[in-house]
Amino acid sequence: AQKVTQAQTEISVVEKEDVTLDCVYETRDTTYYLFWYKQPPSGELVFLIRRNSFDEQNEISGRYSWNFQKSTSSFNFTITASQVVDSAVYFCALSEAQGSGTYKYIFGTGTRLKVLA
Amino acid sequence: KAGVTQTPRYLIKTRGQQVTLSCSPISGHRSVSWYQQTPGQGLQFLFEYFSETQRNKGNFPGRFSGRQFSNSRSEMNVSTLELGDSALYLCASSSGQGAYYGYTFGSGTRLTVV
Repeated sequence: AQKVTQAQTEISVVEKEDVTLDCVYETRDTTYYLFWYKQPPSGELVFLIRRNSFDEQNEISGRYSWNFQKSTSSFNFTITASQVVDSAVYFCALSEAQGSGTYKYIFGTGTRLKVLA
Repeated sequence: KAGVTQTPRYLIKTRGQQVTLSCSPISGHRSVSWYQQTPGQGLQFLFEYFSETQRNKGNFPGRFSGRQFSNSRSEMNVSTLELGDSALYLCASSSGQGAYYGYTFGSGTRLTVV
């Protein structure tokens, strides 16, 4: 069964600290896609990254980096030198093909990150 | 480029009433999906429309319905509202299938059923 687990419900850090948000997924497919979204207090989810199952290269974008490890079914997200503006709820999501040209998309329960000044 | 626009932003309805929510996707995006977000259930997929056709549907009762117009704008309707329908309803658009490419979300409509 398709499943996404974000075990950390809430994390609080002090500004400038590094923080890692964990995401563990379950899928039977060999082809799937992983995503991270950020939901600030305004409500809209902001797309951060998409990664397909064949690309295990880590990615860095400014202060954000992602570590994809198929061996442990994890797709973790690290924020370096956190800032107050990083405070939000972060969602990990998994997408896999349903066989009829459609995709099933499932979100994790989210991790609320609080960055304290 | 304008983002995904959802109206209204907030809505209060009485149990048993019906409600229609509106979503205008990003210009050029033909796929619109709807999600329900609640503290207890998290983000749950309602349905996806592409070129006016419902392409995918989540596990929600028939009281939840939607449609997409030729200009890609979408509406979602909930009939016979129940208290449990209180939630943030998020619309997301994508150039292709959002579950494959990733979505651009609107700010949502917060529905409160009393």
